[in-house]
Amino acid sequence: QKEVEQNSGPLSVPEGAIASLNCTYSDRGSQSFFWYRQYSGKSPELIMFIYSNGDKEDGRFTAQLNKASQYVSLLIRDSQPSDSATYLCAVNLRPGNQGGKLIFGQGTELSVKP
Amino acid sequence: DAGVIQSPRHEVTEMGQEVTLRCKPISGHDYLFWYRQTMMRGLELLIYFNNNVPIDDSGMPEDRFSAKMPNASFSTLKIQPSEPRDSAVYFCASGERGGGDTQYFGPGTRLTVL
Repeated sequence: QKEVEQNSGPLSVPEGAIASLNCTYSDRGSQSFFWYRQYSGKSPELIMFIYSNGDKEDGRFTAQLNKASQYVSLLIRDSQPSDSATYLCAVNLRPGNQGGKLIFGQGTELSVKP
Repeated sequence: DAGVIQSPRHEVTEMGQEVTLRCKPISGHDYLFWYRQTMMRGLELLIYFNNNVPIDDSGMPEDRFSAKMPNASFSTLKIQPSEPRDSAVYFCASGERGGGDTQYFGPGTRLTVL
């Protein structure tokens, strides 16, 4: 089992719809979770992080964390063609004083159709 | 803020040659990370530093790879000798104080080994 798993997609949604991206992780002790967006040919860009169970909203983005089920998701409301990118889920397996070693999933490719 | 700076942006070399990739982190960030990204393996952490000290190099693929951080504003990743399977995009990222969880990526170096 991979440490961080995502559906590779591609996930295709129409413009204005809600895009739902999911991620599961294997280490129950993980404490911090991140979503990065990567446009083709560009570097990953941090868009959300979440530490506590529940929802965290930032504009059109909502991150959801369920530690008991070991999954984290990202919802994108009112999807726009400019949201078309690969979304990488990352999990910090060694939080606190051991620093920020992130393990990334393979990424989910999102395509928003006009 | 200039962000993380990497050079060169593109490197084409022949098998057996030495390759040196360079990174300047964001000023004030205590953590520096080197990643490699390929289609097959995704984004992999190679090594990371805290306050210029290597903390975890378990991702370095073999002895041909070495990384240094002589001061807080400069790091190098060296491959000697290079092989075609080293062809990938290499990213440097830096992290803020407080655990290094939040990471900001540079633009990457696209390495092609012929």
